[in-house]
Amino acid sequence: DVKVTQSSRYLVKRTGEKVFLECVQDMDHENMFWYRQDPGLGLRLIYFSYDVKMKEKGDIPEGYSVSREKKERFSLILESASTNQTSMYLCASRRDRGLVKLFFGSGTQLSVL
Amino acid sequence: DQQVKQNSPSLSVQEGRISILNCDYTNSMFDYFLWYKKYPAEGPTFLISISSIKDKNEDGRFTVFLNKSAKHLSLHIVPSQPGDSAVYFCAALYNFNKFYFGSGTKLNVKP
Repeated sequence: DVKVTQSSRYLVKRTGEKVFLECVQDMDHENMFWYRQDPGLGLRLIYFSYDVKMKEKGDIPEGYSVSREKKERFSLILESASTNQTSMYLCASRRDRGLVKLFFGSGTQLSVL
Repeated sequence: DQQVKQNSPSLSVQEGRISILNCDYTNSMFDYFLWYKKYPAEGPTFLISISSIKDKNEDGRFTVFLNKSAKHLSLHIVPSQPGDSAVYFCAALYNFNKFYFGSGTKLNVKP
C-alpha cells in the first residue's frame, strides 16, 4: 500500500521563523500536493507538483513556497511564519493525472506563536 | 468562494440505519467527485468516487449519487456502523488536475 510520510506530527514555531514541512511518498508517484485544513474551511490547496522540479500554485500560495528536487519528496516552506499560518498541513500524492485517488499523509499540526 | 460545500457540519445516526451525507457544488465542469473519510490524528482516506458522466456508483455499504442538474452529490451508508464515525469530506476534480474539498461533515453513529 502507498505510504505518505510527513516528518513531524506536531510543530511549534515562533513568528518570523522559516519553517520546513517535509513529505515523502514511497510509490514513485508523479503528483504531490500540499493542503491546509482549517475548521469550517475544509482542505485548501497551497501548492502542487506534477513532477520533479515542477510546481504550480494552488488557491492560497501566499506566504508559502515549495521544493521538489527528488520525485519522492515534496517540501513546503513557510518563509516567515505568521500566526495565521497556524493550521493542520496535509500532504498528498497520486500516481499521475490519469488517476483520481489521492493518498494522504497523517498531517502536521503547526502552531505559530 | 468555495466551489464545493457541505452545509451540515455534523450528523448523528443510529447503528443499523442509513446515513446520508450531502454535498453541493457550483462548477458544472468538474470531471470526478470523490468522498474521503478522516479519523482523528490520521490523514483522509479515499472511500468512493463517481465520474461526472454517471449518476450512481456503489461499493459495498457505500453508494454515491450524483444529480448534475441540481449540482448535488450524496453519500449513502447502509447499514451504518459505529466504526463509520468520522469526518467525511466530499471533493471534486477539475481538469483532472485540481481537487476542491468541502468543509467536512462529522458523522456519529450511535451503538
